[in-house]
Amino acid sequence: DTGVSQNPRHKITKRGQNVTFRCDPISEHNRLYWYRQTLGQGPEFLTYFQNEAQLEKSRLLSDRFSAERPKGSFSTLEIQRTEQGDSAMYLCASSLALATEQYFGPGTRLTVT
Amino acid sequence: ELKVEQNPLFLSMQEGKNYTIYCNYSTTSDRLYWYRQDPGKSLESLFVLLSNGAVKQEGRLMASLDTKARLSTLHITAAVHDLSATYFCAAANTGNQFYFGTGTSLTVIP
Repeated sequence: DTGVSQNPRHKITKRGQNVTFRCDPISEHNRLYWYRQTLGQGPEFLTYFQNEAQLEKSRLLSDRFSAERPKGSFSTLEIQRTEQGDSAMYLCASSLALATEQYFGPGTRLTVT
Repeated sequence: ELKVEQNPLFLSMQEGKNYTIYCNYSTTSDRLYWYRQDPGKSLESLFVLLSNGAVKQEGRLMASLDTKARLSTLHITAAVHDLSATYFCAAANTGNQFYFGTGTSLTVIP
């Protein structure tokens, strides 16, 4: 399968713990995006990378959220000191830099107890 | 920042009937996307609309874009149960950041 993959698919954590999610984009895609989707809402853009450069991060929800894409391939999204309000589906998407369509991964569902 | 509104939010329709979902967006965007999402699943791309007047059709679904009115529509013809899902539209800014609507939850009743 050469689509976007995300791990883990589900994560349950206690409030105050740190969590990290991984996204592997389609191999030739330069751009990688992170979104958050809460129940009953559309995905909300968080940040994106072109290769290893993070071009937009002002929409990350707080300074507890950070993302990296160190070698321009896979990316990680970390949430520190999780709160119950962080419970959501975290989606990753990728695209070619000059193309228009984003391809979404299956998502990581986070539950903070 | 782009704001995207969809209506209706919920749609229950009988098999065989036609209906239209509307998507309005707040500022200039020349790219509009429609996605389908099944419960607990990720988003499946349906249509990419790149210019004013663009119309695309796939099976019982047809999407159109009017950039002057900042409006896109998703028309469902002769609905069948398999079309039950949540449908999202998204408008893109120049940085290819997508702004999604809140979705339309469609239920097709036999």
